[in-house]
Amino acid sequence: KAGVTQTPRYLIKTRGQQVTLSCSPISGHRSVSWYQQTPGQGLQFLFEYFSETQRNKGNFPGRFSGRQFSNSRSEMNVSTLELGDSALYLCASSADRGLGEKLFFGSGTQLSVL
Amino acid sequence: AQSVTQLGSHVSVSEGALVLLRCNYSSSVPPYLFWYVQYPNQGLQLLLKYTSAATLVKGINGFEAEFKKSETSFHLTKPSAHMSDAAEYFCAVSDNQAGTALIFGKGTTLSVSS
Repeated sequence: KAGVTQTPRYLIKTRGQQVTLSCSPISGHRSVSWYQQTPGQGLQFLFEYFSETQRNKGNFPGRFSGRQFSNSRSEMNVSTLELGDSALYLCASSADRGLGEKLFFGSGTQLSVL
Repeated sequence: AQSVTQLGSHVSVSEGALVLLRCNYSSSVPPYLFWYVQYPNQGLQLLLKYTSAATLVKGINGFEAEFKKSETSFHLTKPSAHMSDAAEYFCAVSDNQAGTALIFGKGTTLSVSS
C-alpha cells in the first residue's frame, strides 16, 4: 500500500508569490491534515479536511488555505508569501474510523521563500 | 485551549540506559495523547497513543507511556536505549475523537552514545 505522497519535495519561491502544495493520502483514507514545521515554532496544525469539508482549523492567517477533492487528494495554497513561511509542510492522512486514529505522515514539502 | 509541554529539548543517554522523555499536557476535556517519533530525513511515525482505555500504554520499539491525570503527565519511557532510538520525539494532544488536529509539543531530541 502506497504511503502519503507529497509533491513537490522542494520549492523555492520569492516574497509575494503564491504556492500550491499537493498531498495524496493513503488509499481509503478520508481525513487529510496539514502541518507546518519550523525550527522556531515546531509543528503547528494548519487545517484538516474530511470528505471535502474543512473540519478543523489552526491559528494561521487567511493567506493559508486548502481544499480536498472527491478522491481525498488535498492541496494547500499560500498566497502572498512571506519570509516566515519558509518551512517544512507536512501532510497526514487517517482512515478516521476509531478513537485516536493513527495519522500517517508524508515526507513533506520543503518551502524556501527568498 | 489545549497544549503540551515537553521538558528538555535535548536528552542524552548511554546505550542500555533508561530513556525518560517528559510531557505535560493542559486540557479542559479528557485528552487524547500521542507520542510521535521523527527519524532523520523521515516522516513522523506514531509510537503510541492514549485514548482512556488503559493508563499504561505500550507502543512500538519497546516504548511505553503512563497517563497520570493527577500530574497531567504522559511521560515516555524505554528501559534500555538502543543506538537506533536516536531521533526527535514529539508529544501531542487532540481533543477530537478522531485524533486529528494534533497540538504538538516542541519536541525532544534524543541522543544515544555507545
